[in-house]
Amino acid sequence: EPEVTQTPSHQVTQMGQEVILRCVPISNHLYFYWYRQILGQKVEFLVSFYNNEISEKSEIFDDQFSVERPDGSNFTLKIRSTKLEDSAMYFCASSYTADTQYFGPGTRLTVL
Amino acid sequence: KNEVEQSPQNLTAQEGEFITINCSYSVGISALHWLQQHPGGGIVSLFMLSSGKKKHGRLIATINIQEKHSSLHITASHPRDSAVYICAVISGGSNYKLTFGKGTLLTVNP
Repeated sequence: EPEVTQTPSHQVTQMGQEVILRCVPISNHLYFYWYRQILGQKVEFLVSFYNNEISEKSEIFDDQFSVERPDGSNFTLKIRSTKLEDSAMYFCASSYTADTQYFGPGTRLTVL
Repeated sequence: KNEVEQSPQNLTAQEGEFITINCSYSVGISALHWLQQHPGGGIVSLFMLSSGKKKHGRLIATINIQEKHSSLHITASHPRDSAVYICAVISGGSNYKLTFGKGTLLTVNP
């Protein structure tokens, strides 16, 4: 069964460094999403992406964040200058239509 | 801003029991999702509802749009059902943004 994959599974970085989190959505899906979950807290929506552009973003998704679909398969989330409070699990998801979303296993980001 | 509340926060049951998890939200929605998060962190979508009732195996989800309330039921619960169950809504006016509840931690003992 097709699945969403994410790499790396765990990323450790120093505060102020740039990180890129990678996702490979299910191949015929058209909608792509990033979420984050700070340890012990609820999942939060970051951004949705459709037709090669951001369709919706949350207040969390400020200028430090960007998304890209560079090659038609990967879907990346870049954090330009990481802060301690960016430490969280980041989930990518994809869907064929704007309904059932399929989640990746997540990337745990630790900012030191 | 839509507030999503789930109850109970924690639920412990004996194998075989009928489980109900509740979700209420404050603002009109276009759809509601029930998700399951395993101890390792992975998230699986269980249902998407915009009205009525859906059933998948031992899981049943219902939604009452007028009362802004949804329930997830598990019949004949099993220890492998132990997980966090999360309700998330797409508010009217948004196409994609899911607003999540805090989740209900279900533990089913053998």
